[in-house]
Amino acid sequence: EDQVTQSPEALRLQEGESSSLNCSYTVSGLRGLFWYRQDPGKGPEFLFTLYSAGEEKEKERLKATLTKKESFLHITAPKPEDSATYLCAVDRGSTLGRLYFGRGTQLTVWP
Amino acid sequence: ETGVTQSPTHLIKTRGQQVTLRCSSQSGHNTVSWYQQALGQGPQFIFQYYREEENGRGNFPPRFSGLQFPNYSSELNVNALELDDSALYLCASSLDGTSGGPLHFGNGTRLTVT
Repeated sequence: EDQVTQSPEALRLQEGESSSLNCSYTVSGLRGLFWYRQDPGKGPEFLFTLYSAGEEKEKERLKATLTKKESFLHITAPKPEDSATYLCAVDRGSTLGRLYFGRGTQLTVWP
Repeated sequence: ETGVTQSPTHLIKTRGQQVTLRCSSQSGHNTVSWYQQALGQGPQFIFQYYREEENGRGNFPPRFSGLQFPNYSSELNVNALELDDSALYLCASSLDGTSGGPLHFGNGTRLTVT
């Protein structure tokens, strides 16, 4: 049973071409939704936490938003250094410290 | 802030062997979680330790076990290795396992079982 689904699986953008990544979830009792960035051979790097529908967080070219059923990661005017896999994870609050991850979106930004 | 460090970075083992992976958490973080990430997949929760006791477990068999020590270090032990155990093993620490705050990951140990 998939609880977190990310789309698309892979995305290729030209530098400066804005787009959005989607994370849909089917859990109830969401305690938090997290976005991570993962570079090849590295561990996930924390980006944002969202706790309630309507909440938005921004960091440089990234903006994360949350609704009751999905979250979006908007990338404005991306640069090649934004190339990475972006992971979404949810905390159901059922087991402490347990996050349910999606499979990620592999983003490639070419010059 | 020293971050989360894991050792070794890479490891090759034979099926049936045992392995111990190590993690050093961020200073002050009393909660450590271990995750398994297969190629092309998101990380999957193995278990969490809070103040040196197992505090939650995912769908992994008992041959996956762990320890947490008072000095913010921890271990993941896997017995009777199987080929499907080949993956990136990630350690993550957090300030307080009850708060729902973000996990901070190390760069992982890449385990290959042949």
